[in-house]
Amino acid sequence: QVTLKESGPGILQPSQTLSLTCTFSGFSLSTYGMGVGWIRQPSGKGLEWLANIWWDDDKYYNPSLKNRLTISKDTSNNQAFLKITNVDTADTATYYCARMPEGIVPNYFDYWGQGVMVTVSS
Amino acid sequence: DIQMTQSPHSLSASLGETVSIECLASEGISNYLAWYQQKPGKSPQLLIYYASSLQDGVPSRFSGSGSGTQYSLKISNMQPEDEGVYYCQQGYKYPNTFGAGTKLELK
Repeated sequence: QVTLKESGPGILQPSQTLSLTCTFSGFSLSTYGMGVGWIRQPSGKGLEWLANIWWDDDKYYNPSLKNRLTISKDTSNNQAFLKITNVDTADTATYYCARMPEGIVPNYFDYWGQGVMVTVSS
Repeated sequence: DIQMTQSPHSLSASLGETVSIECLASEGISNYLAWYQQKPGKSPQLLIYYASSLQDGVPSRFSGSGSGTQYSLKISNMQPEDEGVYYCQQGYKYPNTFGAGTKLELK
């Protein structure tokens, strides 16, 4: 059974760094072809893809967030991480992590976490 | 970036009706197109991947089709549990991009 769960600070101030953790089970990020992505959704709005990390440590980022994103993983503890530096109120959203399954078709998300709400406020 | 244009923005359907949602990519995406359903307060759920492959456990009344730049999701025999917002997503090129969503309501 595949599960993912996000955790984060809940609230933080502008200019701080947001650190998010995705703890998953039922699959391994050391399995060939497997990946985890991060997606966010401001309240009442659509989905925005942020970053992907693959089993071989290949990483891809949304250039709209310039160089503020860092994705990483801890394979032995079944976790993936996302850091966003210099946050502002526009980063207020629900953040999801999701699995990208192994296979020949890349870059879609078959299992999602429940999401974690993050508020940036002074 | 590849832009994904969904239409309509919203629609309402009667019980048992068949509805279609369209997704137009700004360039060809070689069928690397997924559809998700999101219900209020819940995370998105995968319905269709690779344009027409039905995800395990998804009812067969959901189907996907299309090629090149034009794709569609069809829901046959509308049920109350089909209410929600539907998103398309291209996985052909980075950055992965989503459509703006289509809100489906039961009439």
